[in-house]
Amino acid sequence: GNSVTQMEGPVTLSEEAFLTINCTYTATGYPSLFWYVQYPGEGLQLLLKATKADDKGSNKGFEATYRKETTSFHLEKGSVQVSDSAVYFCALGRQGAQKLVFGQGTRLTINP
Amino acid sequence: GAGVSQSPSNKVTEKGKDVELRCDPISGHTALYWYRQRLGQGLEFLIYFQGNSAPDKSGLPSDRFSAERTGESVSTLTIQRTQQEDSAVYLCASRPGQAGDTIYFGEGSWLTVV
Repeated sequence: GNSVTQMEGPVTLSEEAFLTINCTYTATGYPSLFWYVQYPGEGLQLLLKATKADDKGSNKGFEATYRKETTSFHLEKGSVQVSDSAVYFCALGRQGAQKLVFGQGTRLTINP
Repeated sequence: GAGVSQSPSNKVTEKGKDVELRCDPISGHTALYWYRQRLGQGLEFLIYFQGNSAPDKSGLPSDRFSAERTGESVSTLTIQRTQQEDSAVYLCASRPGQAGDTIYFGEGSWLTVV
């Protein structure tokens, strides 16, 4: 079946550090891939997405590239801020299927 | 409101009691989901509603769990005879229409069974 595996957390970085949160997936066919973010006290919200191989999703300085050859969708940001502290979820959605499959989430803490 | 609204935001209940969790999706959204998030774990799919179609109940963990939706509006998730392992955040989400549209989540209902 479809599954998503994320880098285990928690991850703690200093402000302005480079961030990578790894995400790999298992799926048949060509799924869409998503990163969701959950800020403290708020609901999950879509951060970025990519719908086909080699697509790059980007938002708020975050980027992730859909790599079919490595079945990965790693999240990156060049210079993190304290306000990026949150829990990040990688997710997979099959074309034509209705529900998203989520990874376990990675808690990120950025220290000033 | 503008977003997905869930109530209660927090609920503490005694083992064996029944609980109801409510979700108001974004107006006009035809699809509605319930997910569960246990402490330190990922999101588990529970149930999906799409318009008047039969719901996808494939994620419900036991027959103690049920959910209803009235048309394309409010949904209620009911847990009967709660157990301690039911303690989790229950997240509701809605989507405008076709698969592939963005899913919008509520803030969740925190359930603690003591």
